[in-house]
Amino acid sequence: DIVMTQSPLSLSVTPGEPASISCRSSQSVFHGTGYDSLDWYLQRPGQSPQLLIYLGSNRASGVPDRFSGSGSGTDFTLKISRVEAEDVGVYYCMQSLQTPITFGQGTRLEIK
Amino acid sequence: EAQLVESGGGLVQPGGSLRLSCAASGFSFSSYWMNWVRQVPGKGLEWVAIIKQDGSEIHYVDSVKGRFTISRDNARNSLYLQMSSLRAEDTAVYYCTGGPGWYPDYWGQGTLVTVSS
Repeated sequence: DIVMTQSPLSLSVTPGEPASISCRSSQSVFHGTGYDSLDWYLQRPGQSPQLLIYLGSNRASGVPDRFSGSGSGTDFTLKISRVEAEDVGVYYCMQSLQTPITFGQGTRLEIK
Repeated sequence: EAQLVESGGGLVQPGGSLRLSCAASGFSFSSYWMNWVRQVPGKGLEWVAIIKQDGSEIHYVDSVKGRFTISRDNARNSLYLQMSSLRAEDTAVYYCTGGPGWYPDYWGQGTLVTVSS
């Protein structure tokens, strides 16, 4: 199984400041046809998860452009250029290269 | 607007069975891979199972193999999860999810399954 490891597990950010979350996979999640099978989700308090970034760096529909995904192979980063109050919640990375599909432990973001 | 609505959760005794259903609307259900993902309240996400658009490909996490069965009815825009030999560790909120690929784009609100005597 591919193990996904996120860091940090929690972070506290002042509104308007940037934030960054790292995700590492135990083996490469690069797909042979040219993309990384790495996705990011946000689960706001009391809500279901929502897709933010798919296939490494593609923003999902309706996701603000302050969210960006980067990286390749085994090392990935989710960046929020300017954190807003609505960004509070738990962020998960997920690999969808092979089954079992696996998630990171989650990173809890709070506002200072 | 895409919508996934789960039903069928509840309290069941260890060793018992339960069938979850998920009604899809607002998108082309038959064109989407569909998954079940679960979450112990207050904990992280765990993928459970996935089924291809036409049902010809199915995968499970090892912990549910032989006990859970995922299925779909494209004519009814519905996804199912038949769960048997339930254990305490199966207690979780079960989310119905779907996407154009293996990554889920749409998520339901979840249904709570509690396995307890």
